[in-house]
Amino acid sequence: QVQLVESGGGVVQPERSLRLSCAASGFSFSSYGMHWVRQAPGKGLEWVAVISYDGSNKYYADSVKGRLTISRDNSKNTLYLQMNSLRAEDTAVYYCAREGGDYVFDLWGRGTLVTVSS
Amino acid sequence: EIVMTQSPATLSVSPGERATLSCRASQSVSSNLAWYQQKPGQAPRLLIYGASTRATGIPARFSGSGSGTEFTLTISSLQSEDFVVYYCQQYNNWPPWTFGQGTNVEIK
Repeated sequence: QVQLVESGGGVVQPERSLRLSCAASGFSFSSYGMHWVRQAPGKGLEWVAVISYDGSNKYYADSVKGRLTISRDNSKNTLYLQMNSLRAEDTAVYYCAREGGDYVFDLWGRGTLVTVSS
Repeated sequence: EIVMTQSPATLSVSPGERATLSCRASQSVSSNLAWYQQKPGQAPRLLIYGASTRATGIPARFSGSGSGTEFTLTISSLQSEDFVVYYCQQYNNWPPWTFGQGTNVEIK
């Protein structure tokens, strides 16, 4: 079954850290670029970060640059998002998404909720 | 950064009628425009890419058109499951990939 499953969300205090994971199955994970996209409660979609199929290229939204780090382990078919120095405005559901042909997001996970609150 | 603007924010339509959603880019994105559908509590689903190509498994009642800066998503005959939120996204100039703020299609 082709799917992405996120985990690692939860409630965290401001300035603390959290690591999200996204487990891929049913497709050749190492052949695809992967993204993180987030959605604050009741809000729209915001692109967060992308990593190339082999991990050699990474790009970030300005709002997270220097605090969030995307990585992957192709031997484990897993995508990660290391989140440091968290802020209240990072509160959101975090989705991982596969980049299909033409740079569109053709497969999404169900998301994991991160709440930053004291 | 390319800003995507969707209109209207909320569209009220009766079941069985046609819905027309608009998306405008702050600069040309050629045909590198996608539409996503998001049901409550679910992840977005790819509907349209390349401005007009339906993704795998998407019903024919969904169609996309446009190029450059003006785009349209048309749902020809609204079914009950279509009353949800739709987002456009440009992937012509990245990073960042940018989304519109969404259009909520509600039952009239």
